[in-house]
Amino acid sequence: QQQVKQSPQSLIVQKGGISIINCAYENTAFDYFPWYQQFPGKGPALLIAIRPDVSEKKEGRFTISFNKSAKQFSLHIMDSQPGDSATYFCAASGASKLTFGTGTRLQVTL
Amino acid sequence: DVKVTQSSRYLVKRTGEKVFLECVQDMDHENMFWYRQDPGLGLRLIYFSYDVKMKEKGDIPEGYSVSREKKERFSLILESASTNQTSMYLCASSLIFRVDGYTFGSGTRLTVV
Repeated sequence: QQQVKQSPQSLIVQKGGISIINCAYENTAFDYFPWYQQFPGKGPALLIAIRPDVSEKKEGRFTISFNKSAKQFSLHIMDSQPGDSATYFCAASGASKLTFGTGTRLQVTL
Repeated sequence: DVKVTQSSRYLVKRTGEKVFLECVQDMDHENMFWYRQDPGLGLRLIYFSYDVKMKEKGDIPEGYSVSREKKERFSLILESASTNQTSMYLCASSLIFRVDGYTFGSGTRLTVV
């Protein structure tokens, strides 16, 4: 059972554009929603995270938007750069362990 | 920086072999996790451990077992490797009750032939 659904599976964005990745969850007990970034040959690394008491969190060019009633959250990458090309995973947490989405492979072209 | 070290970057094993994947962390984390990563399926939790000699099944434990004899070391064991266990295996650690500080290793790409 996929508790965290992520889309799209892959995304191509031009340099300077906005990348948007969406996730939806089912379990209302989830209380922490991180995004992880993974470069080839590396393990995932925490990028940004949000808790359900806020609707938006911004760190530099990265923003999480959170809609508690719809049980959805999304990652927005503003002014996307070639160095942002990576695989992005959303996740949701309950009971001290994370459940991950299926991943989005982002390619930022020149 | 917390380091999570996985002993092998690439492994090739034969069907039916017993396979050990080792993971060591150096920051005294209580929690340790084993995930497998497959295209289109994301990261799926195999087993996790909150303490020495303690283990809990994750979402896909079948065909795997784990061992945690020391706090810093968490081993994943494939009792009899099969081709459908060909995958990228990722180890992670975190402080107990802290989901905001998962640190992952670089992964072991296992091929079973």
